[in-house]
Amino acid sequence: GNSVTQMEGPVTLSEEAFLTINCTYTATGYPSLFWYVQYPGEGLQLLLKATKADDKGSNKGFEATYRKETTSFHLEKGSVQVSDSAVYFCALSDVQGGSEKLVFGKGTKLTVNP
Amino acid sequence: DTAVSQTPKYLVTQMGNDKSIKCEQNLGHDTMYWYKQDSKKFLKIMFSYNNKELIINETVPNRFSPKSPDKAHLNLHINSLELGDSAVYFCASRSQETQYFGPGTRLLVL
Repeated sequence: GNSVTQMEGPVTLSEEAFLTINCTYTATGYPSLFWYVQYPGEGLQLLLKATKADDKGSNKGFEATYRKETTSFHLEKGSVQVSDSAVYFCALSDVQGGSEKLVFGKGTKLTVNP
Repeated sequence: DTAVSQTPKYLVTQMGNDKSIKCEQNLGHDTMYWYKQDSKKFLKIMFSYNNKELIINETVPNRFSPKSPDKAHLNLHINSLELGDSAVYFCASRSQETQYFGPGTRLLVL
């Protein structure tokens, strides 16, 4: 079945450092790809998404490009802030029985120190 | 104002008890979900409903029974709670390809 693999954390960075969180996927067809973020004690929020190959999703300084040739959707940010500390989930959409569900990676915990 | 809300936020109970978690969305979406997040933060879908009809059941034990009285509500009833049911349960609703998550219900079974 479809699956998502993302780099294991935790990741600890200093403020203003460059962030990359790797995500690769296995899927039949061309699913939409997502990054969700979970701040401490909260539910998940959509951070960005891309629906087809070569699309770039971006939001709040974060970017990810849908790479069909490498089946990847790596998350990047040029300069992280303390407020970016959270757990980041890569996900793909999987259609089953006419209904769509999300398949998540295991999450990567990011801590940004001042 | 809250788009997807869940009650209760915390639930502590004894093994063997029966409990329910409620979810409501005011976004007008037709599709709602329940997800389980384990202690290692891994998220897995449990159920999906579309306009009150069960669409996805991901081999969840029969002790878990979702109920959708109307398309704005999707409740989760759990019978004979076990230690392994301790987790955070998230409700979500979907519009096009984006899912909107509730704040989660933290269930602890003692």
